[in-house]
Amino acid sequence: DAGITQSPRYKITETGRQVTLMCHQTWSHSYMFWYRQDLGHGLRLIYYSAAADITDKGEVPDGYVVSRSKTENFPLTLESATRSQTSVYFCASSDPTLYEQYFGPGTRLTVT
Amino acid sequence: SQQGEEDPQALSIQEGENATMNCSYKTSINNLQWYRQNSGRGLVHLILIRSNEREKHSGRLRVTLDTSKKSSSLLITASRAADTASYFCATAFKAAGNKLTFGGGTRVLVKP
Repeated sequence: DAGITQSPRYKITETGRQVTLMCHQTWSHSYMFWYRQDLGHGLRLIYYSAAADITDKGEVPDGYVVSRSKTENFPLTLESATRSQTSVYFCASSDPTLYEQYFGPGTRLTVT
Repeated sequence: SQQGEEDPQALSIQEGENATMNCSYKTSINNLQWYRQNSGRGLVHLILIRSNEREKHSGRLRVTLDTSKKSSSLLITASRAADTASYFCATAFKAAGNKLTFGGGTRVLVKP
């Protein structure tokens, strides 16, 4: 299916565990982004990638790791989950010439 | 923070009425975009206005941009119950590539 998908859609994990959220897009967009959305904070950029093997920090990168070995995939890893990382995580992609971003459906992560 | 500020935070109107929401930002932009988010879903791009444009229309949406005041407004005319959603402005700052900074959003409730 064309578009941008995220998995899992819902995840409950315990404090201290490693968690990886997956993002896959079929448009071959060079840019990909990870955001978290929390009440009172809107969307905040965690990491972004301009192309395969090129990643950079956003506004709130601490506690997260990303990689991008293939253009279509952009996984986000929480190395040691904390309760403050309970949030809804959105992945997005964009074409560098068009600026508009296309969002995935989100992953609701709860850290207990 | 360069985050845009949206006003009002929440808006309740009757079907058929117009809804207006505003966004202010702090530094020079390349473009400004508006997104809609239905409850529990990812964001959907609505409209993009470039820094050299003053007004743009798309269906029942009208966006204005005043770069001297660093502000934008989104007008939804003849609102429908299906317009109930949160609306976010997002700014693409110059020299920031395709990165966007999102405002906190306006929650719009359209009552039938």
